[in-house]
Amino acid sequence: KNEVEQSPQNLTAQEGEFITINCSYSVGISALHWLQQHPGGGIVSLFMLSSGKKKHGRLIATINIQEKHSSLHITASHPRDSAVYICATQGGSEKLVFGKGMKLTVNP
Amino acid sequence: EPEVTQTPSHQVTQMGQEVILRCVPISNHLYFYWYRQILGQKVEFLVSFYNNEISEKSEIFDDQFSVERPDGSNFTLKIRSTKLEDSAMYFCASSGSGANTGELFFGEGSRLTVL
Repeated sequence: KNEVEQSPQNLTAQEGEFITINCSYSVGISALHWLQQHPGGGIVSLFMLSSGKKKHGRLIATINIQEKHSSLHITASHPRDSAVYICATQGGSEKLVFGKGMKLTVNP
Repeated sequence: EPEVTQTPSHQVTQMGQEVILRCVPISNHLYFYWYRQILGQKVEFLVSFYNNEISEKSEIFDDQFSVERPDGSNFTLKIRSTKLEDSAMYFCASSGSGANTGELFFGEGSRLTVL
């Protein structure tokens, strides 16, 4: 059974800081998703990774398949980045296994 | 930008009542999902649906739950006889080519409160 762990669970940062959110998982996967959950509850997909690195705007996601670890980086953080960031893994089926999420607060 | 829409946004019901949560996935998508999130807990997979049938379901998705794509645009989740523990946010999602090859699009969620 795949376990998905995220660290830290909460993070408070100042505007402009570089932020790293970590995700580790316990079994081999076919894909890893980074998701953002807004305070109202809605979920937005940020990245889907199976290897390497992806970049979109100020967000960068990396994955190390051998170490079963992924990171989400936010450069030049802004208060509008405040949200819960969730890592979810996918094995050989359509089912996603979610981590608990990391609550990010960026203060102006 | 295309989006997944869910209705209702919030429903309050009495224990034992039937509830239908509705979703309109993105129009050319082929894979559909329901997830739920009990307050303060992780998001959990309920069911995936492809080619007009359930492709996978979790142990949560027991006989009280059913899904349907009645008209080629809506995707519904029915809970036949609600229990207190069914209170949660329910998310519909869709994908064009499957979640491990393409992006997942989530709806805003339907909050179900069972009294």
